[in-house]
Amino acid sequence: QKEVEQNSGPLSVPEGAIASLNCTYSDRGSQSFFWYRQYSGKSPELIMSIYSNGDKEDGRFTAQLNKASQYVSLLIRDSQPSDSATYLCAVCRTYKYIFGTGTRLKVLA
Amino acid sequence: DGGITQSPKYLFRKEGQNVTLSCEQNLNHDAMYWYRQDPGQGLRLIYYSQIVNDFQKGDIAEGYSVSREKKESFPLTVTSAQKNPTAFYLCASSGGGQETQYFGPGTRLLVL
Repeated sequence: QKEVEQNSGPLSVPEGAIASLNCTYSDRGSQSFFWYRQYSGKSPELIMSIYSNGDKEDGRFTAQLNKASQYVSLLIRDSQPSDSATYLCAVCRTYKYIFGTGTRLKVLA
Repeated sequence: DGGITQSPKYLFRKEGQNVTLSCEQNLNHDAMYWYRQDPGQGLRLIYYSQIVNDFQKGDIAEGYSVSREKKESFPLTVTSAQKNPTAFYLCASSGGGQETQYFGPGTRLLVL
């Protein structure tokens, strides 16, 4: 079992729709959780961080964390073609960050 | 502007050659990291440093070496012992043990 698992995709959604990205992790001691967006050939850029159970909203993005079920998700509302990228989930336990392999999102115009 | 810089953007290595990738940050972060990313794969940790003059091996440290003589700098040397060095190398930093990690623009290493 991988420490952080994501569906590799591609996840295709029409423009304006909600994209839902999911991530599960195995270490119950994980303390902080992150979503990064990575365009092809570029470095990852932070989308959202979440530290406690529940939802956290920032503009069109909502991160959801459920520590009991060991999953974290990212919702992207009103998806735009510019959102097409690979989304990396990362979990952290005291200086060690573990990344999933990413979900490729394609937003169709 | 605060951020992380990496140089060069592209690096070419000949057989048997050691090469050094530069990483500098002005975010006043204590922790710095090196990752390797291969096509279609996630990030794999090479080395990390929580504080100046201290560093730990990550999951794939063989064939690599680092130093942390200054808070701002964490250079990575890819030695000739690393037989498959072609990859995208990412440097990152964070302010503490579980804080957000920020990435530099990356260095793409190719073998001639």
